[in-house]
Amino acid sequence: QKEVEQDPGPLSVPEGAIVSLNCTYSNSAFQYFMWYRQYSRKGPELLMYTYSSGNKEDGRFTAQVDKSSKYISLFIRDSQPSDSATYLCALTTGSARQLTFGSGTQLTVLP
Amino acid sequence: GAVVSQHPSWVICKSGTSVKIECRSLDFQATTMFWYRQFPKQSLMLMATSNEGSKATYEQGVEKDKFLINHASLTLSTLTVTSAHPEDSSFYICSGIRQSSYEQYFGPGTRLTVT
Repeated sequence: QKEVEQDPGPLSVPEGAIVSLNCTYSNSAFQYFMWYRQYSRKGPELLMYTYSSGNKEDGRFTAQVDKSSKYISLFIRDSQPSDSATYLCALTTGSARQLTFGSGTQLTVLP
Repeated sequence: GAVVSQHPSWVICKSGTSVKIECRSLDFQATTMFWYRQFPKQSLMLMATSNEGSKATYEQGVEKDKFLINHASLTLSTLTVTSAHPEDSSFYICSGIRQSSYEQYFGPGTRLTVT
């Protein structure tokens, strides 16, 4: 079993839809949670960073963490074609600063 | 956020030659930098972790004599691919992290093609 499992997609939604991207993890030592967006042939861009259970909102993005269920989500409201990219969840324990990545979900938002 | 640059963005080299890729943190001091490679439609694979002024720590299966990493300052790390072969062709991405922080900021990546 992988330490981090991410819904593989691909995911295709119409413009304006609410998108839900999800990851589960098995190691309870993970304490810090990040979501990255990666456009084709570009480096990942940090979207959200959180370390506590609950919701964190930033514009159209909401990161949700449930440590008891070992489940994290990223919600995108009012999705736009420019949101079309691969989304990666990334987790770290903190003691080791390396990130453990999910496999990524490819999202396409259709105009 | 924080900005990380990489140079070059794309390089083509002949088999057997060496290639150096630079990674710079432009607006913060990166006490730790990471180097990744990424194959098409796959996630990032960590190659090595480097702390400023120290030798890099390589992940299992990564040849340290082939992939030379130097982190001489708080804003610059370099990856040198020595005696490159076509199988080294890949997308190489670096990232930096501030002291006492966990957020990694990534560079735009370098596409290496070995002919």
